[in-house]
Amino acid sequence: NAGVTQTPKFRILKIGQSMTLQCTQDMNHNYMYWYRQDPGMGLKLIYYSVGAGITDKGEVPNGYNVSRSTTEDFPLRLELAAPSQTSVYFCASSFGTGASWAYEQYFGPGTRLTVT
Amino acid sequence: KQEVTQIPAALSVPEGENLVLNCSFTDSAIYNLQWFRQDPGKGLTSLLLIQSSQREQTSGRLNASLDKSSGRSTLYIAASQPGDSATYLCAVAGEGGSEKLVFGKGTKLTVNP
Repeated sequence: NAGVTQTPKFRILKIGQSMTLQCTQDMNHNYMYWYRQDPGMGLKLIYYSVGAGITDKGEVPNGYNVSRSTTEDFPLRLELAAPSQTSVYFCASSFGTGASWAYEQYFGPGTRLTVT
Repeated sequence: KQEVTQIPAALSVPEGENLVLNCSFTDSAIYNLQWFRQDPGKGLTSLLLIQSSQREQTSGRLNASLDKSSGRSTLYIAASQPGDSATYLCAVAGEGGSEKLVFGKGTKLTVNP
């Protein structure tokens, strides 16, 4: 199993540009998550999905969009990039049930994004 | 709103020492608590997950305890090695799925040979 994979590893964007961060998992997990981590800070949840076709906002969703058309993929879209979106982005996945947060989350290696 | 605090922010110890990392949280209504390891430029690796009904979990040289009523958890690392150098993050999951995984800022551990 490759686990959770993310592309690209690094990206530099100009202000106002758009891009999509890709995330794929091969563990057949139904839950997937996007986090951002700013320097010296913990991770903050951007969006999450409990299954294909279902997404919901986390703590910091502004400026981002997501979709979940398959179990495996959960892309994160940045529209009109701003310097405040400079961060490291992590995708994660887990099994989930009604007790949705009871299971271990597995993380990808991250995408380091700089907006200038 | 749940807040997670980790103390100390950084810790430097000689090889072979036993050490304790601390995590505290403000809302005791949690489903579970996870400890993660993060190496520079890498993703997070889950070390231990403690369910709210459990008191502790062990994996190799690692032991994590949970005192839900006091809002505290500790990660004990026995016989530390230079390869243990990393940032250790604590995260709690709220009850009923109403609160998502909330992370602390981490403790950066350096184990000197």
